[in-house]
Amino acid sequence: EDQVTQSPEALRLQEGESSSLNCSYTVSGLRGLFWYRQDPGKGPEFLFTLYSAGEEKEKERLKATLTKKESFLHITAPKPEDSATYLCAVQGGSQGNLIFGKGTKLSVKP
Amino acid sequence: GAVVSQHPSWVICKSGTSVKIECRSLDFQATTMFWYRQFPKQSLMLMATSNEGSKATYEQGVEKDKFLINHASLTLSTLTVTSAHPEDSSFYICSGQGIGYEQYFGPGTRLTVT
Repeated sequence: EDQVTQSPEALRLQEGESSSLNCSYTVSGLRGLFWYRQDPGKGPEFLFTLYSAGEEKEKERLKATLTKKESFLHITAPKPEDSATYLCAVQGGSQGNLIFGKGTKLSVKP
Repeated sequence: GAVVSQHPSWVICKSGTSVKIECRSLDFQATTMFWYRQFPKQSLMLMATSNEGSKATYEQGVEKDKFLINHASLTLSTLTVTSAHPEDSSFYICSGQGIGYEQYFGPGTRLTVT
């Protein structure tokens, strides 16, 4: 069964304190791993797609990496506006739908 | 980037009535659209997948006669919650998928059934 586990559930950082969020997955035939950001009361905002182990993508203070078992979302020198829930999802096999993790709620204090 | 809109953004209805939610892809053609439901402090749960011009495929446990999905065009899908009850109160989010694997999400619709 395809499964996505994110850790930690919640993460509190001071502004400028870099850290990483983890997404562990099991899936039959990975087609893509996706990272989204979700603010309260809003739909998820697309951040990255990773397709194969070893792939890395960057956007501003965020960097996503992928191995055969997990993905990391690295946040460098975060700012309060980075506070949000970060969702990881996988798409595998012959299915088009995404399997979501429960998310990591990030809070960045000034 | 790809933009998806939803209307309405929030709705309050009485128990037993029906509510229609629209999902539109504004700058791309969504060959597949997905409908999710999200309860407070929980992640997104897929309800159904719809391809343009075809019947929707519902996830296990989702009543297809209660949640009617129509994907009439490559830019519009609708979800109708029929005979709504308080337990249907939730945050409903749609997404559109174009040529690639990425799904782009709408802003969501908050449904409250009184």
